[in-house]
Amino acid sequence: GQNIDQPTEMTATEGAIVQINCTYQTSGFNGLFWYQQHAGEAPTFLSYNVLDGLEEKGRFSSFLSRSKGYSYLLLKELQMKDSASYLCAVYGNNRLAFGKGNQVVVIP
Amino acid sequence: ETGVTQTPRHLVMGMTNKKSLKCEQHLGHNAMYWYKQSAKKPLELMFVYNFKEQTENNSVPSRFSPECPNSSHLFLHLHTLQPEDSALYLCASSQGTASTNEKLFFGSGTQLSVL
Repeated sequence: GQNIDQPTEMTATEGAIVQINCTYQTSGFNGLFWYQQHAGEAPTFLSYNVLDGLEEKGRFSSFLSRSKGYSYLLLKELQMKDSASYLCAVYGNNRLAFGKGNQVVVIP
Repeated sequence: ETGVTQTPRHLVMGMTNKKSLKCEQHLGHNAMYWYKQSAKKPLELMFVYNFKEQTENNSVPSRFSPECPNSSHLFLHLHTLQPEDSALYLCASSQGTASTNEKLFFGSGTQLSVL
């Protein structure tokens, strides 16, 4: 089976940087996704990592270490609209499994 | 706007009712999915359809019955549900078949309350 672990909630200040961690255990790893979900809205795709290293996309970056079973999503220059749940999802053994999500609350 | 539309957005039903959830994708995708999202729990995959054929039923109780008349439309028929079935039901689609690790496009979901 697959096991994905994310912290449940974080609070950060507008303009700051926040790092959201995700650790996983799976066999046949074939990629890791990050999705953003605002309350009452659809989850939307943020990033995809399949090789080790950092992928940067504007204010958001995602990092993967396959040997450690670890990923993080880095949010820079936080804005109030970044308040949302961030879902980590791992593709392994032809199955996609989601973590519980990390609720990020941005305060002024 | 993700290109995946779900109706209704909210639904309250009694345990003896029959209702249906509808999903439509305008993206020309080949795979469609039903997920259940409960508070404090990971997204749970319920059903997968590839080219309108069901390829996965993730041990879902028979009180949930999916239907996929074509590759753009997906329904979830509900009957004799239990209060613990109250959750957000999300529809998703992907370009390739579900056996490839492609990103999912989600609808906004139907928030279901079973009384």
